[in-house]
Order: sequence, then C-alpha cells, then structure tokens
Amino acid sequence: SQTIHQWPATLVQPVGSPLSLECTVEGTSNPNLYWYRQAAGRGLQLLFYSVGIGQISSEVPQNLSASRPQDRQFILSSKKLLLSDSGFYLCAWSSIRSSYEQYFGPGTRLTVT
Amino acid sequence: GQNIDQPTEMTATEGAIVQINCTYQTSGFNGLFWYQQHAGEAPTFLSYNVLDGLEEKGRFSSFLSRSKGYSYLLLKELQMKDSASYLCAPLNQAGTALIFGKGTTLSVSS
Repeated sequence: SQTIHQWPATLVQPVGSPLSLECTVEGTSNPNLYWYRQAAGRGLQLLFYSVGIGQISSEVPQNLSASRPQDRQFILSSKKLLLSDSGFYLCAWSSIRSSYEQYFGPGTRLTVT
Repeated sequence: GQNIDQPTEMTATEGAIVQINCTYQTSGFNGLFWYQQHAGEAPTFLSYNVLDGLEEKGRFSSFLSRSKGYSYLLLKELQMKDSASYLCAPLNQAGTALIFGKGTTLSVSS
C-alpha cells in the first residue's frame, strides 16, 4: 500500500530564517507530487507540482521554491521566510493509475514569528 | 479563468440530509473530486465524478452535470462527526492539478 510522509508536523520559525519541508511517498512509482498551502480560514492554494524528477511547475509567484531530487521525494524551501508564509503546508501525490485522486500527507503547521 | 463557487457555511441537525452545491469554471475538465477536511487535518477523499449523473457511496452521494459546470455532495443521516469542511475540486484536463474551492464548513448539531 502507498503511504506519504511529511515532516516536521509543526514548526515555529522567525522571519528571515530559511525553511526546508520534506515529503516522501512509498509504495508507488513516478507519482505526480504537489505542495499546497492553507492559510487560516482560506482554501487550499496549489504552490508547486511535479510530474517527474527535476520537473517543477510553479503556480504562484512567491519566495518559496520546490525541488524533486528523487522520484518519491519532494522538498519545499525558502531562503528567507515572511510572516505571510505562515500556514498549513500539505504534500500530496497522485497517479493516472488511481484516476488522479490526490492523497494528502499529514501536513506541517508553520508559524512564522 | 478558473473559479470554484461553494457556500461558505452550512448548518444542519443530526439525522438530517444536506446538499452542498458547487459551481465551477475551469480551462479543461477531467473529472471532479469531493474531499472532506476536519479542522487541523489533511483532506480525505470522498468521491469522484467524471461522467454526468449520481455516484452513491454509503451515506454520501455526489452528482455532476458537466454542461452546467455544477456538482453537489449529498450527505444523508448526518452525524456529529460529519462536521467538517467539504472541498469541491475539479481536475484539469491534463490530470496534473486539482483546483480547490475555499470549501463549505458544515456544522452538525444535536
């Protein structure tokens, strides 16, 4: 069976500090991978998606970046966090074999102070 | 452009039936998903419609009309644990991205 891992679960970081969130998927190969952010009281905002190693599409301009160094690893980074980066970050995967249903990881709650 | 419209909030009582509507405008379409999200948790899959009509799954059913850009989620025999946000999410034609609306927060009271 497939599982998706995200860490850390919670994170408190000062403004201007760097960020690295990691997501890994087990039990499937060549998945599509996604990073979403959900700010308090807001909907899910798609940040990045990837259809393969090294292939990253950005949906919104921001001070975040994403990388996919391995087939089942997706990393969200920032060099300098802003207060507005606070939110609930969710990683998800999908594949054509599952009719593109997206499976979400447990999420990381980031508070920038 | 892309636009998803759902009511922001709904309330209902235990045992009742509630219908959550969703209208969408997307560039390309490859099906529509409904997700449930409890506060502070990740969304979980409820249903998927790619053809017009009703899909039934236990207490939950979902309907799609592609020509009208319209879907609804029907919840029967409501329970307190159904209090959550319900997210309507069309899938783009390439299958590469779900477009989420802001969701409908449903509160079920006894």
